[in-house]
Amino acid sequence: DAGVIQSPRHEVTEMGQEVTLRCKPISGHDYLFWYRQTMMRGLELLIYFNNNVPIDDSGMPEDRFSAKMPNASFSTLKIQPSEPRDSAVYFCASRGLAVNEQFFGPGTRLTVL
Amino acid sequence: GIQVEQSPPDLILQEGANSTLRCNFSDSVNNLQWFHQNPWGQLINLFYIPSGTKQNGRLSATTVATERYSLLYISSSQTTDSGVYFCAGPYGQNFVFGPGTRLSVLP
Repeated sequence: DAGVIQSPRHEVTEMGQEVTLRCKPISGHDYLFWYRQTMMRGLELLIYFNNNVPIDDSGMPEDRFSAKMPNASFSTLKIQPSEPRDSAVYFCASRGLAVNEQFFGPGTRLTVL
Repeated sequence: GIQVEQSPPDLILQEGANSTLRCNFSDSVNNLQWFHQNPWGQLINLFYIPSGTKQNGRLSATTVATERYSLLYISSSQTTDSGVYFCAGPYGQNFVFGPGTRLSVLP
């Protein structure tokens, strides 16, 4: 298995633009997580899905952030409009049902100018 | 929710030295992971260790769930071990990450 796949790996955009981050979980995994990592706040959970259904989005910073999982092999995290304070590394992770071990993708480094 | 503490926050070693990193939890641990974030930012799974001891090469980990802590041992450290080591514990279906231990191994 290729592991968790994220794209793009790097994104530079201007304030006010829409940003879409993509994630493909490990095949067969039932859970998908989106995290954000910053120097100030460390790693923090934004939202997670179980069987494509959002379960907990309490970590989503505000309405500018939205996430979808239209099928078991694809999820998106969208920021609209983006702001400089959204600059961070965004990680996607997945895990199976039986074992609570998470596997992380390589991350997307987002810079909002 | 569960609180996770890690110590030391920073550690500098000479290549070849051994080290022990500690992770404390505020509540009972049902399952725990150790990760290494390398200088390129990748989060690499080291151990999934709800309890007991596991070893993988120069690394080993021990979790004492009843006492709410876990230890990561690095023996004969190498420069490639540099990076940040995170432990993560359960909070519902998610993991809460500790603040990390930043390790620098000098040649």
